[in-house]
Amino acid sequence: QQQVKQSPQSLIVQKGGIPIINCAYENTAFDYFPWYQQFPGKGPALLIAIRPDVSEKKEGRFTISFNKSAKQFSLHIMDSQPGDSATYFCAARRAGRLYFGRGTQLTVWP
Amino acid sequence: DTGVSQNPRHKITKRGQNVTFRCDPISEHNRLYWYRQTLGQGPEFLTYFQNEAQLEKSRLLSDRFSAERPKGSFSTLEIQRTEQGDSAMYLCASSFPTGQETQYFGPGTRLLVL
Repeated sequence: QQQVKQSPQSLIVQKGGIPIINCAYENTAFDYFPWYQQFPGKGPALLIAIRPDVSEKKEGRFTISFNKSAKQFSLHIMDSQPGDSATYFCAARRAGRLYFGRGTQLTVWP
Repeated sequence: DTGVSQNPRHKITKRGQNVTFRCDPISEHNRLYWYRQTLGQGPEFLTYFQNEAQLEKSRLLSDRFSAERPKGSFSTLEIQRTEQGDSAMYLCASSFPTGQETQYFGPGTRLLVL
């Protein structure tokens, strides 16, 4: 049973576009929601993270929007670049353990 | 480089053989996690340690899997009598239990069981 549901599975945007990746969860015990970026053959790298008492967090070109009542959160990438082409995973943490979504493969065309 | 390191990076083995992977966490990180990632999926939790104590094990960690962290520093993950279904990327992460307790991942060990 997937604890964190992520969509879309893949996304293609033009350079400068704003890809949006969505995640949803059910378990209200989750206390921390990170996003990871993964390039082929590499381990996941933390991109940005948010706690459930915050509705939005921005770091550089990356923004998380968090809707606690709807149990949904999303990642927005402003002014996307070809170098952003990677797989993005949302995750949720409970008791130290991370539960990951299935990932979104993002392709940014130049 | 002071990040999480894992060795070997790649391992090819025949079904039925035993394999062992090593993870060196970021120094001073006393929590260490093992995850498994199959193609097209997100990482799945296997187990984690706080110092040398193994605090939680997933149901994914069958009897053929054992993890240790004998001195609270590096950790090993051993798979006995490997099966083709064990083929995956094995990821290690570490964290420090204050603040956001961010988990930092290593590059992973890719296992192929023939």
